[in-house]
Amino acid sequence: VLTQPPSVSVAPGQTATITCGADDISTRSVHWYQKKAGQAPLLVMQFDSDRPPGISQRFSGSNLGNTATLTITRVAAGDEADYYCQVWDSRGDHLGVFGGGTKVTVL
Amino acid sequence: QLQLVQSGSEVKKPGASVKISCKASNYTFTSFGVSWVRQAPGQGLEWMGWISGNNGKTKYAQTLQGRVTMTTDPSTETAFVELRSLRSDDTAVYYCARSPVFLPSRDAFDIWGQGTVVTVS
Repeated sequence: VLTQPPSVSVAPGQTATITCGADDISTRSVHWYQKKAGQAPLLVMQFDSDRPPGISQRFSGSNLGNTATLTITRVAAGDEADYYCQVWDSRGDHLGVFGGGTKVTVL
Repeated sequence: QLQLVQSGSEVKKPGASVKISCKASNYTFTSFGVSWVRQAPGQGLEWMGWISGNNGKTKYAQTLQGRVTMTTDPSTETAFVELRSLRSDDTAVYYCARSPVFLPSRDAFDIWGQGTVVTVS
């Protein structure tokens, strides 16, 4: 089970921090997806801290201990979306797992 | 450009089946797998399962075991998901996503289809 806060609010220009918690999550690769209403999910961070091509440098990631983190600096209105973390559950049948999602609201 | 194009919206009655397609373009279909992910209204993303584009092996979410079948047609570079015995809570947007060709893997879902709305009513 991947645990995310339901919501994060941030003022424009400030930093948003979104967490994804699970026991020993640092032993797994965590990926992050941005989901806007009416659009398909977009991969914004892979393998904990690797930005895919075309993703802004304002997005960064880390994964330590029991918490993976997606950080968005200099937040803009266009960053308002739901963000989901995802891993492959290597302990079981190698099934895909998503966190519950975090709604980022830009005030 | 790399893309996955899904079939159109569906309206089904409870108890019926639905089959959605996902056609790949501009990459080698057999070098990747396809995962299916759905999002019910007001809910989060739910991983439904995975199929290898290379050998057709599958893995399904335990909650859907027995009701879901994923297949591919390598000749048309298309993946399919069929969901049977539909219920109202299967109403969702269904997405396909490019995935690793073999499991176990740590790779992400890097390309997504545009989504297919399935309404069960």
